[in-house]
Amino acid sequence: DQQVKQNSPSLSVQEGRISILNCDYTNSMFDYFLWYKKYPAEGPTFLISISSIKDKNEDGRFTVFLNKSAKHLSLHIVPSQPGDSAVYFCAAGMNNNAGNMLTFGGGTRLMVKP
Amino acid sequence: KAGVTQTPRYLIKTRGQQVTLSCSPISGHRSVSWYQQTPGQGLQFLFEYFSETQRNKGNFPGRFSGRQFSNSRSEMNVSTLELGDSALYLCASSLQGAYGYTFGSGTRLTVV
Repeated sequence: DQQVKQNSPSLSVQEGRISILNCDYTNSMFDYFLWYKKYPAEGPTFLISISSIKDKNEDGRFTVFLNKSAKHLSLHIVPSQPGDSAVYFCAAGMNNNAGNMLTFGGGTRLMVKP
Repeated sequence: KAGVTQTPRYLIKTRGQQVTLSCSPISGHRSVSWYQQTPGQGLQFLFEYFSETQRNKGNFPGRFSGRQFSNSRSEMNVSTLELGDSALYLCASSLQGAYGYTFGSGTRLTVV
């Protein structure tokens, strides 16, 4: 049972345009969500996060939107740059005493064309 | 400051063998978590260690085990390797909370 899903395995965007990466989840107990970016042969690096009590968080070119009623979040990258080409993972976590654990989606490969 | 170090970077093993992977966390980080990444499956949580105790465990068979030492370094072990164990194994360390995860570059395990 996949609690976090990224339904688009890949996305191709022209440089300068907006990239929108989507993520759906099923567990309403998640308290926070994160986006990670991964280049080949490297570990994932943290990009941006959002708490479940917010609906938007912005950091430079990156904005994450959360729609709790739809159990959906999205990452917007504006403007997209060729260096943004990577695999993007969304992840969800809970604030409890059970320790650290994130549930990840399957990833979306973003290709930004010059 | 030094990041999370995983050794070895690449490993080829034969079916039925066992393997040990190592992870040195960022200095001061007491929590170490392990994830398995396979194509299309994202990252699957294996387990988490905090102060030498396993605090959380994912849905993997008992062939997958781990431990943490007093200096917070962690090892994971996979016994009786199967072809399906071929994956990128990632470790992440944090001070507290998954919010502060820093991942290592991973160990690429190939089982033949």
